[in-house]
Amino acid sequence: DVKVTQSSRYLVKRTGEKVFLECVQDMDHENMFWYRQDPGLGLRLIYFSYDVKMKEKGDIPEGYSVSREKKERFSLILESASTNQTSMYLCASSLSFLGTRPTDTQYFGPGTRLTVL
Amino acid sequence: GQQLNQSPQSMFIQEGEDVSMNCTSSSIFNTWLWYKQDPGEGPVLLIALYKAGELTSNGRLTAQFGITRKDSFLNISASIPSDVGIYFCAGPPDSNYQLIWGAGTKLIIKP
Repeated sequence: DVKVTQSSRYLVKRTGEKVFLECVQDMDHENMFWYRQDPGLGLRLIYFSYDVKMKEKGDIPEGYSVSREKKERFSLILESASTNQTSMYLCASSLSFLGTRPTDTQYFGPGTRLTVL
Repeated sequence: GQQLNQSPQSMFIQEGEDVSMNCTSSSIFNTWLWYKQDPGEGPVLLIALYKAGELTSNGRLTAQFGITRKDSFLNISASIPSDVGIYFCAGPPDSNYQLIWGAGTKLIIKP
């Protein structure tokens, strides 16, 4: 059974803290993604990676960075957390970049709900 | 950036009712995807559509790829309690090699 796991389901941090969100996939996928989900806005792509040590900005990269040192692990870093980064963060992985086939889709983790006080 | 307009934003329905939702764009899409997100989980792909006019079913769910390639529809027949969740449309616009997501339709079933 395919699996994407995220390090925490819920996280509470203070403004200015450095925050690490970890994501691990066990499907040997090349592509990994970090999304942010806010009510009424759907899923917005923060960063993606198509290979180890490769990363590309998505639509809303400001205030975030990422790291992919190993194929199975993709980390999202908030260098200095702010209250407007309170959100649900979803990690996904896929074999091909778009993942638009039932046999080759984006598989999502359960999400991390981050609250920044 | 490019956007998908998904409506309605939320639906309150009785168990057993049929449900319809849609997604429109100003851009042409060459693939339409419909995902469902259960409470506390990540989205899961339900149906994928690849050509204009295509109609595809998955159990009680039926989705259609609009003829203009700028819209798609999802219908759920005879809704049951486990249908609650958020339904997302998504796809790669013809001009952009990236998935664009709708804002989601939240389905709530009244007891």
